[in-house]
Amino acid sequence: DTEVTQTPKHLVMGMTNKKSLKCEQHMGHRAMYWYKQKAKKPPELMFVYSYEKLSINESVPSRFSPECPNSSLLNLHLHALQPEDSALYLCASSPGERNTEAFFGQGTRLTVV
Amino acid sequence: RKEVEQDPGPFNVPEGATVAFNCTYSNSASQSFFWYRQDCRKEPKLLMSVYSSGNEDGRFTAQLNRASQYISLLIRDSKLSDSATYLCVVNPVDTGRRALTFGSGTRLQVQP
Repeated sequence: DTEVTQTPKHLVMGMTNKKSLKCEQHMGHRAMYWYKQKAKKPPELMFVYSYEKLSINESVPSRFSPECPNSSLLNLHLHALQPEDSALYLCASSPGERNTEAFFGQGTRLTVV
Repeated sequence: RKEVEQDPGPFNVPEGATVAFNCTYSNSASQSFFWYRQDCRKEPKLLMSVYSSGNEDGRFTAQLNRASQYISLLIRDSKLSDSATYLCVVNPVDTGRRALTFGSGTRLQVQP
């Protein structure tokens, strides 16, 4: 069982809606990540938080807004999304950024209508 | 050139077969390497880390060749449950891009 918990598991939202994806880990990991995965493609990095500070933003459009309230929580705020943003959004955590494997949550399957 | 390249497959093999996947990476400064497994519509799960000396976990053996910049995964005595996509993953720490970079994945289908 994954120790990274994501909610909701599924989300359908309209292009004018505002919603948030949530991620939680209690492994004491200091790095947390958001990845986006389209069908039959590998995960693509969106954001990295290290010690609760945003350390990498992979040129993600501003309609995606990450937030790290504390070392255990990671949110992704969504606003004015497009249908092409429909994908599986994966949260991951790792003990640190260097030389460590990451553990993934089950993901949120997002559909934008 | 992609940072991490894999043959997408699919590899269709009978139960009991031995199958090997290779993966090449472009950044010679890469420091850590992993194989992940992803089942359809599920999250990637860590299969094993890859060490310079090579490592084995049951039926799975991973090898790293730094000189040629490739990583391999060998699966012996394939089971139906091994059917999945296998993702080669590299962490190019020294470039400052401190996050996992995924290959496109190799799909394995084990046939009864």
